[in-house]
Amino acid sequence: AQSVSQHNHHVILSEAASLELGCNYSYGGTVNLFWYVQYPGQHLQLLLKYFSGDPLVKGIKGFEAEFIKSKFSFNLRKPSVQWSDTAEYFCAVNARAAGNKLTFGGGTRVLVKP
Amino acid sequence: SQTIHQWPATLVQPVGSPLSLECTVEGTSNPNLYWYRQAAGRGLQLLFYSVGIGQISSEVPQNLSASRPQDRQFILSSKKLLLSDSGFYLCAWSRGERQAFFGQGTRLTVV
Repeated sequence: AQSVSQHNHHVILSEAASLELGCNYSYGGTVNLFWYVQYPGQHLQLLLKYFSGDPLVKGIKGFEAEFIKSKFSFNLRKPSVQWSDTAEYFCAVNARAAGNKLTFGGGTRVLVKP
Repeated sequence: SQTIHQWPATLVQPVGSPLSLECTVEGTSNPNLYWYRQAAGRGLQLLFYSVGIGQISSEVPQNLSASRPQDRQFILSSKKLLLSDSGFYLCAWSRGERQAFFGQGTRLTVV
């Protein structure tokens, strides 16, 4: 069965600091990878996704993620965060061989102090 | 365009009462449908997953059940609620291996 783990439950940082959120998955086959974000009081929305091709994926709001197949990782990064990046971030995985069932990590709450 | 409706937004129910949360999708056909429970610090726990009418996969043992009576309708139910069923429930849909889209969620409080 596929599973997803996010290393940090809470991250606190100041504006303009760099952000990196770890995500590892356990599934041996071909996977699709996603990062979702949930801003306070809002729905989950997609930040970026990886299906194939360039392992460095750029998403909305200056976020990017790198798929490292050998490490089963898909870490999310942003070089310089803003107060408005305060949110909860979720990594997710699905795989065609697993029926495209979408499995989420535990989430990371990010607080950006102004 | 596709939309997903989930209701009610909030619900307070006594212990032992039944539950029915409904989710419908518009603008697509044969979607994959999901019920998740979101708990602080525990992320989104997949409860049920459906690839078609009447096809339900239960991911975790629990007091809840799900049904898909129509292609774009997904219902989360319980015959007798427990205190531990309190939480935030999210419905979602996707097509194949593409991204999932989420409903607004239902905050369930069992008292």
